[in-house]
Amino acid sequence: DAGITQSPRHKVTETGTPVTLRCHQTENHRYMYWYRQDPGHGLRLIHYSYGVKDTDKGEVSDGYSVSRSKTEDFLLTLESATSSQTSVYFCATLGESTEAFFGQGTRLTVV
Amino acid sequence: AQSVTQLGSHVSVSEGALVLLRCNYSSSVPPYLFWYVQYPNQGLQLLLKYTSAATLVKGINGFEAEFKKSETSFHLTKPSAHMSDAAEYFCAVSDGRSSASKIIFGSGTRLSIRP
Repeated sequence: DAGITQSPRHKVTETGTPVTLRCHQTENHRYMYWYRQDPGHGLRLIHYSYGVKDTDKGEVSDGYSVSRSKTEDFLLTLESATSSQTSVYFCATLGESTEAFFGQGTRLTVV
Repeated sequence: AQSVTQLGSHVSVSEGALVLLRCNYSSSVPPYLFWYVQYPNQGLQLLLKYTSAATLVKGINGFEAEFKKSETSFHLTKPSAHMSDAAEYFCAVSDGRSSASKIIFGSGTRLSIRP
């Protein structure tokens, strides 16, 4: 394992509330990614980071923001959660090798 | 821009039969290609990867894939399916040579194994 910890692992929140998911890595990997996984859609890239304070949008970035103030932490924020953001969120990292390592996922339910 | 298309959202084979999961990609630069497996309620695990060396790539658990540039394909095969192969499989592409590399996944193929 690449030492990737996602927190929380499960969360239920109400529509309109802000939510922050955390990804923490211990491997000093340069690249970090946030994906969401939904049936029939596979994993879709939300945002990614290629260094501290260097981030960019993915395929489905609307309604999400990210921050990376330290190499080891990549935060995903839902500014105002909606039911369409109910999903399983995965964090991944990529170091010098070409293999991406994944966290165990965060199951988010917006009610 | 890069993309991946996995043909067949669900594939069912008998135990001992050939497994063939199809993946076609689109990339404006020479791609890196990957197959990942996901077991229920778990994260993704790398099966194998192509990074411009040998076109036939062998991975874990007896799986292999062949990179065919002329067909823009990277299909995953296994000669003889086991019950333990039942899982969801994802093909992915990246332009690993860029300074802002991102990894794009297909929509996944769920593999079922019949006894």
